[in-house]
Amino acid sequence: DAGITQSPRHKVTETGTPVTLRCHQTENHRYMYWYRQDPGHGLRLIHYSYGVKDTDKGEVSDGYSVSRSKTEDFLLTLESATSSQTSVYFCAISESLVRSPVFGPGTRLTVL
Amino acid sequence: ELKVEQNPLFLSMQEGKNYTIYCNYSTTSDRLYWYRQDPGKSLESLFVLLSNGAVKQEGRLMASLDTKARLSTLHITAAVHDLSATYFCAVDTNTGNQFYFGTGTSLTVIP
Repeated sequence: DAGITQSPRHKVTETGTPVTLRCHQTENHRYMYWYRQDPGHGLRLIHYSYGVKDTDKGEVSDGYSVSRSKTEDFLLTLESATSSQTSVYFCAISESLVRSPVFGPGTRLTVL
Repeated sequence: ELKVEQNPLFLSMQEGKNYTIYCNYSTTSDRLYWYRQDPGKSLESLFVLLSNGAVKQEGRLMASLDTKARLSTLHITAAVHDLSATYFCAVDTNTGNQFYFGTGTSLTVIP
């Protein structure tokens, strides 16, 4: 398996609290992604990064921010969690377009 | 806005039968990816298709890409129970490195 981990794996939080999810890779891949998976929607891109301190928005970025201060870490922050952000969050890494992005194990987030 | 549509969304088929899953996308792209996801698990890469006419096969699964029609197919031959899973296609925009996924096809193979 590619070296990609996510933490925490499960989290329950309350509406209005800040939440940070961490994605950590040991592959030195340039590109990193955050997706959310919801029934009926497949996977939707939240934010992505194409290098240290280089990030951009995806299709569902409202309410989320990201940071990448090191190649190996990509953080996803929910500034003030809402129930609509209850989801499974996947991180993915990619070294080039000729290879499929590799996905992490996922984080199940419940916002009460 | 890029759209990736899969059909059918749900597929129940008997062991030994053949079937095809379709993936249509709305933007110009020469790259398409297929993934498999088992319940409660992460996504596993199946195929990478990198040009028009590309065909890849692994076991009972065969994927193809027609970039002119903006269509990819995942063909299942002589289905077995172990193929039960959700299958996703994903498209990379030609501007690079934004992967957009279809809604998935949930496949159940009945003995």
